[in-house]
Amino acid sequence: AQRVTQPEKLLSVFKGAPVELKCNYSYSGSPELFWYVQYSRQRLQLLLRHISRESIKGFTADLNKGETSFHLKKPFAQEEDSAMYYCALRGYSGAGSYQLTFGKGTKLSVIP
Amino acid sequence: SAVISQKPSRDICQRGTSLTIQCQVDSQVTMMFWYRQQPGQSLTLIATANQGSEATYESGFVIDKFPISRPNLTFSTLTVSNMSPEDSSIYLCSVVGLSGANVLTFGAGSRLTVL
Repeated sequence: AQRVTQPEKLLSVFKGAPVELKCNYSYSGSPELFWYVQYSRQRLQLLLRHISRESIKGFTADLNKGETSFHLKKPFAQEEDSAMYYCALRGYSGAGSYQLTFGKGTKLSVIP
Repeated sequence: SAVISQKPSRDICQRGTSLTIQCQVDSQVTMMFWYRQQPGQSLTLIATANQGSEATYESGFVIDKFPISRPNLTFSTLTVSNMSPEDSSIYLCSVVGLSGANVLTFGAGSRLTVL
């Protein structure tokens, strides 16, 4: 079974402070990890995926297989980063499958 | 990425009734899915909508309760049958496109409230 844990329901930081949104996963194979973001009154959208190894809007996330973690980080938080963030794992349950398991989400609030 | 239109965006329904949610994509997609997000909870996959055949349901979801259609590569419907207050949720259509990026894109969701 695959599971994604986001231990923090709410994270508040001051503008300019570093941000780290935690994500731990449980999966027996080689997972594909994603971060999705939902800004107020907008639809859920992909922020980044681990295989791309890119920085989006200043955010990065490194897959740590030893710690089974995929924490999302940004060195300096901006007010526009306030949103709901979901970590997701894609396991492979069969040919052509695409099942994403989502964490419960962390609401990031950036205080001006 | 594909543009997804879902309707209704929200509805208030009476217990015991059924409601059909439509999902229209502006381009052909390889896979379509239906998710549910209950209040304060994460997203849970209901089923994979298969074109021209029966949907593949996840554990805990059955066709009688959530019949799904997908007559072509760009359209799907999800019906929530015989609704109860526990069915109050946001229902999301999502797709994996043909762009090769192999990324899941979501619709805006349909917020159902069952009284």
